Amino acid sequence: NAGVTQTPKFQVLKTGQSMTLQCAQDMNHEYMSWYRQDPGMGLRLIHYSVGAGITDQGEVPNGYNVSRSTTEDFPLRLLSAAPSQTSVYFCASSNSMDTQYFGPGTRLTVL
Amino acid sequence: LAKTTQPISMDSYEGQEVNITCSHNNIATNDYITWYQQFPSQGPRFIIQGYKTKVTNEVASLFIPADRKSSTLSLPRVSLSDTAVYYCLVGGTRSNYQLIWGAGTKLIIKP
Repeated sequence: NAGVTQTPKFQVLKTGQSMTLQCAQDMNHEYMSWYRQDPGMGLRLIHYSVGAGITDQGEVPNGYNVSRSTTEDFPLRLLSAAPSQTSVYFCASSNSMDTQYFGPGTRLTVL
Repeated sequence: LAKTTQPISMDSYEGQEVNITCSHNNIATNDYITWYQQFPSQGPRFIIQGYKTKVTNEVASLFIPADRKSSTLSLPRVSLSDTAVYYCLVGGTRSNYQLIWGAGTKLIIKP
């Protein structure tokens, strides 16, 4: 049981590039979320999903897309990377939004 | 959306009991209170959750007064490894899907 896995661990992009951050969970959780965390700050919710085929926006959704075709996977797509998207990205899953299990994070730098 | 207020930082010494208080004045009837711990370069980790009165598990206790406008996380006999950032979170699927994470409390344990 690997829990929540995220790839890659580190990524450097140039402004305007696109990429997909991968997230997978093997706990059969219904709920999955993506957060970003800027230095010295708390987490901010980007998008979340309450089940396969269902997604919704969080606090800071602009510049990001998500899809949830399976229960296990919840990829986050950056459409056109900007320096303001430099951050650490965490994926989380849960059987409810109250108690979440987090992945190890992806550290993204946009130049 | 229930917003939380916590001290920015706290210091203590090994072997002491540490209490971190969180204010959440506009907590909703259906909201639960959840605390997470985060070490540098890691995702947050669930510590404890409660609705009212007192909850205790193997690592912490959570005290919630009758009006539920605040909560106190109590860590008994802390060690150096308890140095981390602690987040108080209010909300969940029982009320809404939007979760607000504050900046957390940076707890530093000294020898």
